[in-house]
Amino acid sequence: QQQVKQSPQSLIVQKGGISIINCAYENTAFDYFPWYQQFPGKGPALLIAIRPDVSEKKEGRFTISFNKSAKQFSLHIMDSQPGDSATYFCAATTMDSSYKLIFGSGTRLLVRP
Amino acid sequence: SQTIHQWPATLVQPVGSPLSLECTVEGTSNPNLYWYRQAAGRGLQLLFYSVGIGQISSEVPQNLSASRPQDRQFILSSKKLLLSDSSFYLCAWSAKKSSGANVLTFGAGSRLTVL
Repeated sequence: QQQVKQSPQSLIVQKGGISIINCAYENTAFDYFPWYQQFPGKGPALLIAIRPDVSEKKEGRFTISFNKSAKQFSLHIMDSQPGDSATYFCAATTMDSSYKLIFGSGTRLLVRP
Repeated sequence: SQTIHQWPATLVQPVGSPLSLECTVEGTSNPNLYWYRQAAGRGLQLLFYSVGIGQISSEVPQNLSASRPQDRQFILSSKKLLLSDSSFYLCAWSAKKSSGANVLTFGAGSRLTVL
């Protein structure tokens, strides 16, 4: 019940296309859903996050769509650029004092020029 | 501003040798601290987290241990490394719960190869 399932494992998109990464969770107590971006050899960095009281959050070319009833959320990267090539992790947590993030298995995105 | 430092960046150790990875956070006090492990092409596995000095919670049984001797210092250790300990280790911190959402901030990672 603590798992976060992420798909696809890898994704190749042409420059200018839309990249879509999906995640699903089981624990209905989760109340914070961040996405992290990781470049090779670096630590992950927070990209965008959403709370379950909204269905969508947009920041620039990045949008999170959230479906509470289906317990699913997804990351959409519009107008994908080669610089977006990285590994993306979805995550979920409950906002208690320990703030333990449960991560998905990651999606390796390659944007071809 | 807050910064997190993690070292060494890379480490090659023989099987059976000890390990010490260190992480320090600057610009904040009383943070939550975490050690994650990331195997090649895999997700992030939480190993340990700490909500205060001397308070360590272990998520996965293994031959690794963690200590928090000071408020902003977190150490990952092993007495005898195994081949399976080869991985990318990430330290992270977050602020204590507040009215808003907290951010988990990662260090640059330590690449450990056990031969």
